[in-house]
Amino acid sequence: SQQGEEDPQALSIQEGENATMNCSYKTSINNLQWYRQNSGRGLVHLILIRSNEREKHSGRLRVTLDTSKKSSSLLITASRAADTASYFCATEKNNNDMRFGAGTRLTVKP
Amino acid sequence: DAGITQSPRHKVTETGTPVTLRCHQTENHRYMYWYRQDPGHGLRLIHYSYGVKDTDKGEVSDGYSVSRSKTEDFLLTLESATSSQTSVYFCAISAGGVNEQFFGPGTRLTVL
Repeated sequence: SQQGEEDPQALSIQEGENATMNCSYKTSINNLQWYRQNSGRGLVHLILIRSNEREKHSGRLRVTLDTSKKSSSLLITASRAADTASYFCATEKNNNDMRFGAGTRLTVKP
Repeated sequence: DAGITQSPRHKVTETGTPVTLRCHQTENHRYMYWYRQDPGHGLRLIHYSYGVKDTDKGEVSDGYSVSRSKTEDFLLTLESATSSQTSVYFCAISAGGVNEQFFGPGTRLTVL
């Protein structure tokens, strides 16, 4: 399976701290995406990184991809209480075959 | 929510009854997907569509069927609901290629 597996399952930090979440997968991929889900809502796309890219930034988000280790990390800098949500990585090998991990539950305490 | 609606938003039904969930989009995107979300499993793809009347199975398609007679609508049918199909169902759309997916608000289905 190419399903991503996030680590840790849950993370609790103070506002202002950085949050790092990791994703590991098992097979080669075309791209990897990170999504966010607030409680009771649908997923929202955060960032996409292609297999030939090593790092991407978007605002306070930084994503890295290491295809040799089959792993990715999502860093949220200077976290805010509003960042509290679940974060999912999704790996895509072929069009329409996107597999999601079980997610990391992030809690940012004010 | 990127012009995607799902109906109903909540449904309680009994084992053995048929159930149809509807996904409607106003974005004219080619691709539409149905996922289910369960604790500890993340999202799992049930079926997807790559055009009108063009559908294919996903990872967990047993017990589900889909139809797409118009670009904007993608229906998911549970032919005979079972308690194991109690879940939150999400519809998503995509323009295709290397593109992000946009998700609907979800439908919470409980099968008693």
